[in-house]
Amino acid sequence: GGIITQTPKFLIGQEGQKLTLKCQQNFNHDTMYWYRQDSGKGLRLIYYSITENDLQKGDLSEGYDASREKKSSFSLTVTSAQKNEMAVFLCASSISQITEVFFGKGTRLTVV
Amino acid sequence: GDSVTQTEGLVTLTEGLPVMLNCTYQTIYSNAFLFWYVHYLNESPWLLLRSSTDNKRTEHQGFHATLHKSSSSFHLQKSSAQLSDSALYYCAFNNAGAKLTFGGGTRLTVRP
Repeated sequence: GGIITQTPKFLIGQEGQKLTLKCQQNFNHDTMYWYRQDSGKGLRLIYYSITENDLQKGDLSEGYDASREKKSSFSLTVTSAQKNEMAVFLCASSISQITEVFFGKGTRLTVV
Repeated sequence: GDSVTQTEGLVTLTEGLPVMLNCTYQTIYSNAFLFWYVHYLNESPWLLLRSSTDNKRTEHQGFHATLHKSSSSFHLQKSSAQLSDSALYYCAFNNAGAKLTFGGGTRLTVRP
């Protein structure tokens, strides 16, 4: 089996700050995803990548940047943190688009 | 674009009663891959069920669902709820493209 590791687990930032969330997977999966989880709004796709150096925007990409530096890693940057923003960011990966998606445990973001 | 609707945000049941969580989807594509993911507190979401075959029942861990393309539905059911079923359940859709679209989630609480 494999694992998806997200760092940090908890992230506290200040309004306007640029914040970076990291994700590593050892499944050797081609496709990786970043989702934002908000209560009542489900999981909304921010960015995804189907291979190294590829980036595709999801439904919620505004205010975020992403980088797929290598096959095993996918990072997400909040370009300017919004005050009172609270959400959980989930990284995921899969072999292909229609196979099972595996998730990390998430990074919980709080902006003060 | 594609969308997934889970009509109930919160479902509270008494142990032993049947479970039914609704899921419908909208798409312009004929391909439809439907998934149910479950997210327990402090864990990673994981795949509970998936299907792409019309009118065929799929089962796992006591839960079952049938994809009905005629009504664009993939409702999750279980004959008898257990306390351990309390979790957040997400329905998701993919049309064989890279983007997996999730519904808003249903939080199931099972009480003694």
